[in-house]
Amino acid sequence: DGGITQSPKYLFRKEGQNVTLSCEQNLNHDAMYWYRQDPGQGLRLIYYSQIVNDFQKGDIAEGYSVSREKKESFPLTVTSAQKNPTAFYLCASNPGGGNPGANVLTFGAGSRLTVL
Amino acid sequence: QKEVEQNSGPLSVPEGAIASLNCTYSDRGSQSFFWYRQYSGKSPELIMSIYSNGDKEDGRFTAQLNKASQYVSLLIRDSQPSDSATYLCAVNNPGSSASKIIFGSGTRLSIRP
Repeated sequence: DGGITQSPKYLFRKEGQNVTLSCEQNLNHDAMYWYRQDPGQGLRLIYYSQIVNDFQKGDIAEGYSVSREKKESFPLTVTSAQKNPTAFYLCASNPGGGNPGANVLTFGAGSRLTVL
Repeated sequence: QKEVEQNSGPLSVPEGAIASLNCTYSDRGSQSFFWYRQYSGKSPELIMSIYSNGDKEDGRFTAQLNKASQYVSLLIRDSQPSDSATYLCAVNNPGSSASKIIFGSGTRLSIRP
């Protein structure tokens, strides 16, 4: 079955450490996204990528980095510069392109990061 | 002004009644509008998508879009306890990039027996 796999599901890290969250999709989607969700809040866009080797900052990119070396993969690194990294992180993808219907997002199950 | 605005709720609706959820957006060039449902601790799932003015119905759900007023709504008829969740409005943001999808803060809906 096609879908998005995020790992790990739960992650605990000490303050000041960089962590990388994995996101892999087998949907053959061109566009991939990372969102952050804090308790009781909506989704805030961190980074998105429309094609391989290209990505754009979202609304809260400071303290995060990404790469898009393969179509299937879009890992997110939470760096020590991110002041409050404890949150639920969601990866998503869509086919991309100009068709409005191609903007429907498919989500992974999420990664919950807790910084101790 | 936030780019996508929703009332945070909670919105409490009796079982069997109609729940009405509202969303406004700021980018007049937006073309894609979505409603996602999210249960606590889970990832969002698509409920409805709408791309042109008017109503779109799917079972108990109706999405309404008014681009002139920059307003999109979701109606849930015959509300069930399983509809209790957070509902997220999402819009594409072509002012930055057609691919940029942004979300409102979500409305928490509670269906009371």
